[in-house]
Amino acid sequence: DTAVSQTPKYLVTQMGNDKSIKCEQNLGHDTMYWYKQDSKKFLKIMFSYNNKELIINETVPNRFSPKSPDKAHLNLHINSLELGDSAVYFCASSLSGAHYEQYFGPGTRLTVT
Amino acid sequence: AQSVSQHNHHVILSEAASLELGCNYSYGGTVNLFWYVQYPGQHLQLLLKYFSGDPLVKGIKGFEAEFIKSKFSFNLRKPSVQWSDTAEYFCAVNVAGAGNTPLVFGKGTRLSVIA
Repeated sequence: DTAVSQTPKYLVTQMGNDKSIKCEQNLGHDTMYWYKQDSKKFLKIMFSYNNKELIINETVPNRFSPKSPDKAHLNLHINSLELGDSAVYFCASSLSGAHYEQYFGPGTRLTVT
Repeated sequence: AQSVSQHNHHVILSEAASLELGCNYSYGGTVNLFWYVQYPGQHLQLLLKYFSGDPLVKGIKGFEAEFIKSKFSFNLRKPSVQWSDTAEYFCAVNVAGAGNTPLVFGKGTRLSVIA
């Protein structure tokens, strides 16, 4: 059973388009995250949700809009895609509390042409 | 805000050599510490973690790490690497006792193990 799953795995699209990435976890976690890994492999937090509520929103353009319909899902919608949005996007989840690790999804490689 | 430094960008070792990857963090409070590994084309997997207690933690695949609080370090070690350890290794921290804080990652160390 896949713990944290993301779809699609690969996404190739043109500048200016709007696209969505979906994430689902079946671990019973209450906190979910989106991270961006750039071309130099650097990973940085974008958003964090706890019980469907946004709790962290790093300095991310407002073209990126996360949505959490329930605790098990956290989707990422991106409007007006730009070349610089090309990256691998990882979803993760964890339990809330002081000492829990995060489990990562397989990533979505987004290529904007 | 926390930050994490990984000093080695790319490490090349022969099989059976010993490995030590450096990781230092900056934060004045209590942190949780992690090492994640990313095999080529794959997602991040947790190698080991430190929350509290014994500062020497053992993880999967023969890896271990030692938390030295006075040095703000959490170096990763393995006594004898294998070709299959070729991967990108990430050190990460988050604030302990603060709920659901996201991870702050180092820039990663690429390990290449050659025969």
